[in-house]
Amino acid sequence: GNSVTQMEGPVTLSEEAFLTINCTYTATGYPSLFWYVQYPGEGLQLLLKATKADDKGSNKGFEATYRKETTSFHLEKGSVQVSDSAVYFCALSGYNFGNEKLTFGTGTRLTIIP
Amino acid sequence: GAGVSQSPSNKVTEKGKDVELRCDPISGHTALYWYRQRLGQGLEFLIYFQGNSAPDKSGLPSDRFSAERTGESVSTLTIQRTQQEDSAVYLCASSLGGRRGGLSYNEQFFGPGTRLTVL
Repeated sequence: GNSVTQMEGPVTLSEEAFLTINCTYTATGYPSLFWYVQYPGEGLQLLLKATKADDKGSNKGFEATYRKETTSFHLEKGSVQVSDSAVYFCALSGYNFGNEKLTFGTGTRLTIIP
Repeated sequence: GAGVSQSPSNKVTEKGKDVELRCDPISGHTALYWYRQRLGQGLEFLIYFQGNSAPDKSGLPSDRFSAERTGESVSTLTIQRTQQEDSAVYLCASSLGGRRGGLSYNEQFFGPGTRLTVL
């Protein structure tokens, strides 16, 4: 079955540091890959996505590239801000007659200190 | 409203009682999903609706769990004879669904969740 392995947290960085959160996956076929973010006190929201190999998803300064050869979708940001403090979830979905249920990693809690 | 809503936001119940959790998806979204998140764990898929049908119930953990959807809108997740291990945040998500013209409409929009505590 499908699975997502995500870098364990928590991760604490200083403001303006470079961020990488690792994510690797196991899946049959050609899944879509996602990063979701949950800010304190808020619901889960989509941060970025990629639907095929070598696609790069980007949003709010975050980037992730769909690497089929390494089955990875690592999240990066060049200069983090305090407002980026949140829990980040890597996820994938297959496609089965309209069913695109998500398989999630366990989440990585990120804290940025000023 | 513009987003997915869920009610109640918090529910505390005694072991053995039944509970109903409600989800109002975004209008026009034909696909609806239920997930749960137990403390310290990732989100687990429970059930998928396409319209009012549930072609994938593979994530329901036991026959105490059931769900329905009516009018291609509201969905209710029912847990009978609740157990302490049912304590979790239950999340609902909806999406337009499908792939058309080479584009995928698979982004899922999540509700705020219902935090269920079984004493």
